[in-house]
Amino acid sequence: QKEVEQNSGPLSVPEGAIASLNCTYSDRVSQSFFWYRQYSGKSPELIMSIYSNGDKEDGRFTAQLNKASQYVSLLIRDSQPSDSATYLCAVNRDDKIIFGKGTRLHILP
Amino acid sequence: DVKVTQSSRYLVKRTGEKVFLECVQDMDHENMFWYRQDPGLGLRLIYFSYDVKMKEKGDIPEGYSVSREKKERFSLILESASTNQTSMYLCASKTENTGELFFGEGSRLTVL
Repeated sequence: QKEVEQNSGPLSVPEGAIASLNCTYSDRVSQSFFWYRQYSGKSPELIMSIYSNGDKEDGRFTAQLNKASQYVSLLIRDSQPSDSATYLCAVNRDDKIIFGKGTRLHILP
Repeated sequence: DVKVTQSSRYLVKRTGEKVFLECVQDMDHENMFWYRQDPGLGLRLIYFSYDVKMKEKGDIPEGYSVSREKKERFSLILESASTNQTSMYLCASKTENTGELFFGEGSRLTVL
């Protein structure tokens, strides 16, 4: 099993709808979880971090963590064309930050 | 403002050449990382460093070495470049309190 798994997509979502991105991880001792956004030709940038079970909201973004199920998700409300990018899930394991392969999100105007 | 600077945006090297990729951060971070990013494979950790002169192997260290002589600088070395090391190389440094990574702009290496 891969350490951090994501569906590669592409995930196509109409503008204004909710985009739901999912990630599972294999190492139960992981404590910190991150979502990065990467536009084509650019470097990743952090959009959300989450450390405890439950939901964390920041503007249009909500991160959800379920440690029992080893599952992290990112919801993007009111999706905009500018949200079209690759979204990378990352996990902190023993100070190493390990990434999933990313999910390509395409917002349809 | 946070800054991670990679010395070269684009490099073309020949098989067997020694390659140095340099990364400098101005945030006084202790932890620095080197990743490579390939289509379909995502970001893979090559090496990371948690202090000056300290390093740990990541998931794909074969064919690479690193150097961290000063806190702000973390170098990736390809002793003898091979065509399968053609890739985008990303350097990052990490804040201790939040764990957030700040990335450089990347170095695209082509090995002929």
